[in-house]
Amino acid sequence: GQQVMQIPQYQHVQEGEDFTTYCNSSTTLSNIQWYKQRPGGHPVFLIQLVKSGEVKKQKRLTFQFGEAKKNSSLHITATQTTDVGTYFCAGPTSGTYKYIFGTGTRLKVLA
Amino acid sequence: GAVVSQHPSWVICKSGTSVKIECRSLDFQATTMFWYRQFPKQSLMLMATSNEGSKATYEQGVEKDKFLINHASLTLSTLTVTSAHPEDSSFYICSARNVELAVNEQFFGPGTRLTVL
Repeated sequence: GQQVMQIPQYQHVQEGEDFTTYCNSSTTLSNIQWYKQRPGGHPVFLIQLVKSGEVKKQKRLTFQFGEAKKNSSLHITATQTTDVGTYFCAGPTSGTYKYIFGTGTRLKVLA
Repeated sequence: GAVVSQHPSWVICKSGTSVKIECRSLDFQATTMFWYRQFPKQSLMLMATSNEGSKATYEQGVEKDKFLINHASLTLSTLTVTSAHPEDSSFYICSARNVELAVNEQFFGPGTRLTVL
């Protein structure tokens, strides 16, 4: 079945350092979404990428969708303690609105 | 806005009992809702897709007779864990799509933490 993997599984950074998480799908995706889940909370939608090679920015966050539409990345510049949480990518099952979530990357930011 | 609520937020029950979890879309109609479970420090695992007015579709490996889903209205889906056992203890989260939005964004409820003794 469709699998969505993320690396790294965990990342500890000093506040101010950059952070990147990578997402890889076993199948080509029509789009990819990114969510953030704070500790003890629920996932919150960050963004959706649709086009091959698409790059979108949200303040310090940069999202990229690979040319083959099988991988994606999220880069955070100059992390802050508010960035703490688990970041998930999610890709749709072909022809449906069901999304398979990636394995997630847990980010800890040390002040 | 697009707010999804869940009730209860947490529940503790004895082994063998059934537990019902409600998922409501508060300010939009949701023809489709999704139920996930999440074990500590793990990803969200899609259990089933809840469709208003029709039967839910379950993911492979999820027992439909154990996890009963009812989507009786455009704003309410319920998940009943029947004959719960300790291994069913988990964080159950629902999500809903607002079909009026152009993006397939899922709005998640706050989750229900189930502990089966």
